Amino acid sequence: GAVVSQHPSWVICKSGTSVKIECRSLDFQATTMFWYRQFPKQSLMLMATSNEGSKATYEQGVEKDKFLINHASLTLSTLTVTSAHPEDSSFYICSADRYTEAFFGQGTRLTVV
Amino acid sequence: TQLLEQSPQFLSIQEGENLTVYCNSSSVFSSLQWYRQEPGEGPVLLVTVVTGGEVKKLKRLTFQFGDARKDSSLHITAAQPGDTGLYLCAGGGAGGTSYGKLTFGQGTILTVHP
Repeated sequence: GAVVSQHPSWVICKSGTSVKIECRSLDFQATTMFWYRQFPKQSLMLMATSNEGSKATYEQGVEKDKFLINHASLTLSTLTVTSAHPEDSSFYICSADRYTEAFFGQGTRLTVV
Repeated sequence: TQLLEQSPQFLSIQEGENLTVYCNSSSVFSSLQWYRQEPGEGPVLLVTVVTGGEVKKLKRLTFQFGDARKDSSLHITAAQPGDTGLYLCAGGGAGGTSYGKLTFGQGTILTVHP
């Protein structure tokens, strides 16, 4: 299957700082990638759709100025959590679709202290 | 808003028992995928079903897509402790959106006791 790599796997940051998470499609090109957020023992909630060469599309209730998404190339999308606060602590997961299937990264555990 | 209702949310059974997880929606999906997720990791795809009425088998796992492509089920036969995990159904392609834009069910936390 296709491979999607996410980095870092986990990060701890101080309140008020910004954190960047990378999502790469390793063996295919992805014009569209997706960012999800998952709280413990809960399902994945779509945050935004990342579009290569254009602005991301955010789901209702997601602050675009707080969660900056950049899709600079066909294999890389980044999610930057700006001015992070403890309530932003969560598991962030990206995915890219190839044909009729979505392939997920390993996820990034963000802890804001 | 497309919603997927997944049930049950928690399932605790003994090794050797059978179980079924259901996923229902009022929306029609172009595809429906089942994932299994381990703690601290991303979801791993188990199967994709795209045709109404389709049945797929993966060893002891049987997946079914409803005729109207609005519902699906996952049946596990003779469950083993190694089946323990979070199972997620996800629908894609609803309303002409990208296959990769998934709507997830609430998830089912399965625990199989030895």
